[in-house]
Amino acid sequence: EPEVTQTPSHQVTQMGQEVILRCVPISNHLYFYWYRQILGQKVEFLVSFYNNEISEKSEIFDDQFSVERPDGSNFTLKIRSTKLEDSAMYFCASEGLAENIQYFGAGTRLSVL
Amino acid sequence: AQKVTQAQTEISVVEKEDVTLDCVYETRDTTYYLFWYKQPPSGELVFLIRRNSFDEQNEISGRYSWNFQKSTSSFNFTITASQVVDSAVYFCALSEDYSSASKIIFGSGTRLSIRP
Repeated sequence: EPEVTQTPSHQVTQMGQEVILRCVPISNHLYFYWYRQILGQKVEFLVSFYNNEISEKSEIFDDQFSVERPDGSNFTLKIRSTKLEDSAMYFCASEGLAENIQYFGAGTRLSVL
Repeated sequence: AQKVTQAQTEISVVEKEDVTLDCVYETRDTTYYLFWYKQPPSGELVFLIRRNSFDEQNEISGRYSWNFQKSTSSFNFTITASQVVDSAVYFCALSEDYSSASKIIFGSGTRLSIRP
């Protein structure tokens, strides 16, 4: 069964460092998303991406965040200068055309020290 | 304003009991989607169901059933004859835009514990 793959499963970084979280969406999917979940809290939308550009972003997704689809398979989330409060589980999701179902990856746990 | 409320923070039942997880939503839109996702202890988010706002038929899938009541803006989830493997956090969610690339708004989740 096709699935969304995220790497790494756990990333530890120092405050102020740049991190890149990687996602391989389901093949043939066209819409891509990043969400985050601070420990013990609800899942929050960060950004959606379609046709090589951002479709929508939340207030959380400030100038420190960027997304990219550098090739035909990867979808990345970059945090330029991490803060302690960026520590969370980051989920990637993808969606097929006219499907309206987002399939999530297993997440990357980001720990900022 | 769009909002999803899951008033039950935690529920604990004994195996084989039936359990209902409540979900109440708010939206200004007439067209929208409702979802349930399961987050087991391993952490991933597992899609369970999608329901569009025009389809108020209840749905049953094995031991799972969903009751969508537009009049009360509720989309409740019932597990019949619960099992220990059902232990997880369950999120109800809303997507206001009928088109794709639309964000999902999650509720705060209900932690369900099934005791053997």
